[in-house]
Amino acid sequence: GDSVTQMEGPVTLSEEACLTINCTYTATGYPSLFWYVQYPGEGLQLLLKATKADDKGSNKGFEATYRKETTSFHLEKGSVQVSDSAVYFCVVDRGSTLGRLYFGRGTQLTVWP
Amino acid sequence: DVKVTQSSRYLVKRTGEKVFLECVQDMDHENMFWYRQDPGLGLRLIYFSYDVKMKEKGDIPEGYSVSREKKERFSLILESASTNQTSMYLCASMRHDDSGNTIYFGEGSWLTVV
Repeated sequence: GDSVTQMEGPVTLSEEACLTINCTYTATGYPSLFWYVQYPGEGLQLLLKATKADDKGSNKGFEATYRKETTSFHLEKGSVQVSDSAVYFCVVDRGSTLGRLYFGRGTQLTVWP
Repeated sequence: DVKVTQSSRYLVKRTGEKVFLECVQDMDHENMFWYRQDPGLGLRLIYFSYDVKMKEKGDIPEGYSVSREKKERFSLILESASTNQTSMYLCASMRHDDSGNTIYFGEGSWLTVV
């Protein structure tokens, strides 16, 4: 079956540090890949997406590249801010019209000033 | 902008009570979902619906039911609430177009069963 494995947290960084949150997946076919972010007390928001191999999704300084050969979609940011403190979810969508998604367990990021 | 609205943000219910969690979306999406989110377990799918009056069980449907009488509204029902259903519940709806699927989430409903 499909599964998503992402780096366990919590991750604690100082402001302006580099961030990488690893995500690997198992899925048949050509899934779409997402990163969602959940700020404290809120629902999940789409951060970025990539729909085919070698695509790079980017938003708010975050980037992730769809690597089919390594089945990975690692989230990166060169310089984190306190406002980036949140939980990040790696998500796989096989693209069916039913819309079943497969979530990683989430990685808590805390950025200190 | 797509808006998914969960009418109750915080609820406290007693064991055995019947609980309704309501979710409304304003973008005419056909697919809607209910998840629960627990620390260390991430998001788990309870039920989803791909059309009015159509529903499918997710990974953890036991103890829950759903209702989709109108396209914009998807309700989660706990027939007899139990303490192990204390959790955060997230509703979502999906847009499907040429670029694929995009899921939009509500802000969540925190349910405490005492």
